[in-house]
Amino acid sequence: SQKIEQNSEALNIQEGKTATLTCNYTNYSPAYLQWYRQDPGRGPVFLLLIRENEKEKRKERLKVTFDTTLKQSLFHITASQPADSATYLCALDTTGGGNKLTFGTGTQLKVEL
Amino acid sequence: DAEITQSPRHKITETGRQVTLACHQTWNHNNMFWYRQDLGHGLRLIHYSYGVHDTNKGEVSDGYSVSRSNTEDLPLTLESAASSQTSVYFCASSENNEKLFFGSGTQLSVL
Repeated sequence: SQKIEQNSEALNIQEGKTATLTCNYTNYSPAYLQWYRQDPGRGPVFLLLIRENEKEKRKERLKVTFDTTLKQSLFHITASQPADSATYLCALDTTGGGNKLTFGTGTQLKVEL
Repeated sequence: DAEITQSPRHKITETGRQVTLACHQTWNHNNMFWYRQDLGHGLRLIHYSYGVHDTNKGEVSDGYSVSRSNTEDLPLTLESAASSQTSVYFCASSENNEKLFFGSGTQLSVL
C-alpha cells in the first residue's frame, strides 16, 4: 500500500541547534513534495515545495532535501528558536500530475531554551 | 487581504442529524478541498473541487457530500452524522495545488 511516514515521536532540541525532520514514502513517484507547519488549533501553513528534479531548497533558516532514490525528504531548521515549536507535515503529490496531495501524520518539534 | 474562513469553529451535534460546515475563500482559487484530521491519521482528503459545478471524491468520502455553486464557497454536508465523524475539519484552497491555503478548522463532535 502507499504510505507516507513521519516520525510520530516528538523531537525535542535545544535552542540554537539544527532540527532535522524526516519524511519517507513508498510506492509513489511524486512530482513534488511540500512541507507545512501546523500550530495547535490552527490550519497548516505552507512552508516550502521541492520538485523531483531538485535536490535541495532553502528559505531563510529552512532547508529541504529530496532524494527520489531513497524516497525521502529531510527538513532542516537551523539556529532553531522556541517559536519554531510546532508540528511539521510533509505532503506529496500522489497522482503524478499535481492533482491531489496526501499528507503525512506530522512530527511535533519542541525547541527548548 | 484574501483569506479562507470556516464556520462554525466548534459544533456539537447528535447522531443522525444533518450538518453543514461552511468554507469561504476570497483568493478566487478554482481548487478547493476538505480534509479531516484525526490523531494517528493525519489529514485525509474527503472531497475536492476544481471549479464551479465540479466535485470529486477523496479517500474518505462516505457519508459526506459537497456542492460548488460559485468560486468562493465549498460547503461540506454530513448527511446523517455518525460518531465516527467526530473530527477536526479543514478546508483549503489553491491556485494550482502547489501551495494550499488552509482555514482555521472546525471541531465537530457527534454525540
